[in-house]
Amino acid sequence: DQQVKQNSPSLSVQEGRISILNCDYTNSMFDYFLWYKKYPAEGPTFLISISSIKDKNEDGRFTVFLNKSAKHLSLHIVPSQPGDSAVYFCAASAPFQGGSEKLVFGKGTKLTVNP
Amino acid sequence: DAGVIQSPRHEVTEMGQEVTLRCKPISGHDYLFWYRQTMMRGLELLIYFNNNVPIDDSGMPEDRFSAKMPNASFSTLKIQPSEPRDSAVYFCASSLVAGSAYSNQPQHFGDGTRLSIL
Repeated sequence: DQQVKQNSPSLSVQEGRISILNCDYTNSMFDYFLWYKKYPAEGPTFLISISSIKDKNEDGRFTVFLNKSAKHLSLHIVPSQPGDSAVYFCAASAPFQGGSEKLVFGKGTKLTVNP
Repeated sequence: DAGVIQSPRHEVTEMGQEVTLRCKPISGHDYLFWYRQTMMRGLELLIYFNNNVPIDDSGMPEDRFSAKMPNASFSTLKIQPSEPRDSAVYFCASSLVAGSAYSNQPQHFGDGTRLSIL
C-alpha cells in the first residue's frame, strides 16, 4: 500500500523549459511535504518543502504547489538546467502520533534536462 | 561542516555472513534514521532513533536485522545472517528534530552503502 505515489518514473525536458514533477498521496493525515533531489552514488539532498497550511512555496527556480483536496503536489523548475538532471523524491509526514514520526517517500522520478 | 558519514561505501559478501553498516550523524542532531532503497520498494524507513533511543523499528524487515546507537555520534545496522534479497542501498540520515510541519528541519542523508549479497 503506497501512501506516496510518483506515477512518472522519468521525465525529459529541454534546457530553459519548465519541468513539472507530480506526486499524489493517500493519507489525509499528512501535513508536511518535501522534495529531495538525488544524484547517482550520492544520498538524497533536501530541496524544498511545504506545510499543509500553505498551497505554494517558492525558492528561486523551484516552486512546490499543494492541492489538498486532490491530495496532489507538484514541483516546478523554471528554467530547467542540465544540472537539474537527477532523481526527485517526494516525501510526506504525519503529525506526531503515538511516539512515532517519520517520512514516507515516493519511488522517485528521474528528470533529464537536455542541453 | 561534515555531513552524515557512512561506511563502507560498498560491501560485497556471501550469503550467511554477518554484515555491519556504520553511520556517523551530523554533530548535534538528535534524530538518526536508517533507510533501505530497492527498485521494488523505493526508499523505505527501517528504524529511527531519538537521543540514541530506538523510537520506531516497525520497518525492520526481520529479526535478522538489528540496529544500535551506543552514543550520539555512532550507529550500526547489522544483518545476521545475510541473504541475497538484502541486497540494496542502505542510507543513514540525521536531523535536528523529526520531520514535522512545525520544525522545518529536513533530514540530511549520507551517501549510502551499496550492499551486495551473493
